Amino acid sequence: KNQVEQSPQSLIILEGKNCTLQCNYTVSPFSNLRWYKQDTGRGPVSLTIMTFSENTKSNGRYTATLDADTKQSSLHITASQLSDSASYICVVSAGIGGGSYIPTFGRGTSLIVHP
Amino acid sequence: EAQVTQNPRYLITVTGKKLTVTCSQNMNHEYMSWYRQDPGLGLRQIYYSMNVEVTDKGDVPEGYKVSRKEKRNFPLILESPSPNQTSLYFCASSPSGQLIFTDTQYFGPGTRLTVL
Repeated sequence: KNQVEQSPQSLIILEGKNCTLQCNYTVSPFSNLRWYKQDTGRGPVSLTIMTFSENTKSNGRYTATLDADTKQSSLHITASQLSDSASYICVVSAGIGGGSYIPTFGRGTSLIVHP
Repeated sequence: EAQVTQNPRYLITVTGKKLTVTCSQNMNHEYMSWYRQDPGLGLRQIYYSMNVEVTDKGDVPEGYKVSRKEKRNFPLILESPSPNQTSLYFCASSPSGQLIFTDTQYFGPGTRLTVL
């Protein structure tokens, strides 16, 4: 069964600090990995997407890494801002042929940034 | 503005009273899907549609129905809601007829449903 585990479940940091969120997965055959940001009361918004051949992808202050050998990904947030307070969801997708995929969603990491 | 809209945003109902949650997208996307999100669980797919008149079950389809008569609309129907369907529901769309790795899913704002 395909599974995505995220850690920590929740995290509190001070504004301006960096943090790293983790995602471990057992999804086969691997197609792609995405990180989403979900603000409270809103739908998820895509931050990054990586395929098998990519091991890092940046989007502003967000940098995602992927180690396909160990089946791990991380999302690093640099110089955190109050607006980074949100849930971060790791989504790992299994390929089903023809370039298409089926996503498996992690439970998310809840990040709170304090002033 | 390109967006996915859902209505209503909040709904409280009673067991057994049929309801419909509407979903509409203005991006001419082929693929649409419904998810539910429960505390401590990841998003789980209920149904999806790859094109008009084409729908298929996701991971948790029991107790739900959908239809895709027009490209832009994908309503979620609960014929006889039960308390275990209390959840936060999201509609999403993406450009291609299937989820392909170059596509991003665009999510609606969510509908919080409570079934008493």
